[in-house]
Amino acid sequence: DGGITQSPKYLFRKEGQNVTLSCEQNLNHDAMYWYRQDPGQGLRLIYYSQIVNDFQKGDIAEGYSVSREKKESFPLTVTSAQKNPTAFYLCASSVTGVYNEQFFGPGTRLTVL
Amino acid sequence: QQPVQSPQAVILREGEDAVINCSSSKALYSVHWYRQKHGEAPIFLMILLKGGEQKGHDKISASFNEKKQQSSLYLTASQLSYSGTYFCGTEIGNNDMRFGAGTRLTVKP
Repeated sequence: DGGITQSPKYLFRKEGQNVTLSCEQNLNHDAMYWYRQDPGQGLRLIYYSQIVNDFQKGDIAEGYSVSREKKESFPLTVTSAQKNPTAFYLCASSVTGVYNEQFFGPGTRLTVL
Repeated sequence: QQPVQSPQAVILREGEDAVINCSSSKALYSVHWYRQKHGEAPIFLMILLKGGEQKGHDKISASFNEKKQQSSLYLTASQLSYSGTYFCGTEIGNNDMRFGAGTRLTVKP
């Protein structure tokens, strides 16, 4: 079964701790994306990557970091510098060609206490 | 850089029609439309490319005005299953995607 997995579904952390969200895909897609979803604000782009070992900042990259060491994996670290990290985080992937519709994972709901 | 969607919310009776609009301040490579049900991941509906090509859902249609940097999603003869939040995604650079804030659609029997 091809798809995108994100784990865990729910994550709780204490303020001041870094936390890494996992995103894995077996769709052989080159491009991967991280979005943050808050009520009423839609999906805001944090980072995206079009190829291994390369990534670009989105609109709200401050306080986040990513790596793309393997094609299948694009982990997101929420650092202690992110002032309001509690949110729903969605990972997606796509081909890099013309019909580049995005396939989304189930999301991780992060709560920082 | 997020596109602007309107309306923010709409309530329909089964069988009624709706139009959702999406407007960008940037030139666009393509426009995507997705639907998200509560607690679930967004699901792809349609992609519209410059030059008029489209790919997607067979019961939902959309338009893309490249010059005006606008797109509209047309939901005709709505069904209960159409309920959800609709997002437009605007590709402003190669694989550089921005999503709107969403339009919440409720279809009632």
